[in-house]
Amino acid sequence: ETGVTQTPRHLVMGMTNKKSLKCEQHLGHNAMYWYKQSAKKPLELMFVYNFKEQTENNSVPSRFSPECPNSSHLFLHLHTLQPEDSALYLCASSQEIGKTYEQYFGPGTRLTVT
Amino acid sequence: AQKVTQAQTEISVVEKEDVTLDCVYETRDTTYYLFWYKQPPSGELVFLIRRNSFDEQNEISGRYSWNFQKSTSSFNFTITASQVVDSAVYFCALSEALYNFNKFYFGSGTKLNVKP
Repeated sequence: ETGVTQTPRHLVMGMTNKKSLKCEQHLGHNAMYWYKQSAKKPLELMFVYNFKEQTENNSVPSRFSPECPNSSHLFLHLHTLQPEDSALYLCASSQEIGKTYEQYFGPGTRLTVT
Repeated sequence: AQKVTQAQTEISVVEKEDVTLDCVYETRDTTYYLFWYKQPPSGELVFLIRRNSFDEQNEISGRYSWNFQKSTSSFNFTITASQVVDSAVYFCALSEALYNFNKFYFGSGTKLNVKP
């Protein structure tokens, strides 16, 4: 596979469930990002990892827990979510932080919290 | 205040028409980068172009062209002879040296509908 992949593509979960989103990049990049895209709002940066280290947490509630075991994989663990957390969650990667590289995005996971 | 403003929420054109998508940005930094991305219905944002703050030359790539004007803090995107496949949401984004280019600030997007 090439580019940035995300699984699952669609997820429906109840407020008491625990689930995880997975992102994998095949571009040899060292930086990875999670974004939240809600209807009629700009993309919101959630977390940034550079060489597996978290460099940015954009005041995200603790019910979202990221994990980056290596530069190719990024997870977003979800627990006790709220209906307002329903959104498209996008993963992206870039060559590394601190340089002006464009980000490459995956297709996203459409999350619905019931 | 929003750093990137895309005032056009939605635009509809008929195929073969030219269309310009507006982007206005705000920054105090002298070194910054601007980007355009396309998001088709499949959801994946596709990178289109990157432009740095020191290069105000306009750029043309096929039917796409970009007009960067620092004097008006604008980075507009024109599609010439639009096609149905151009239908998508287009996002403008900014990254700044101040934040070590760590953050991308995205506009709210402009939805382009190209009708046959």
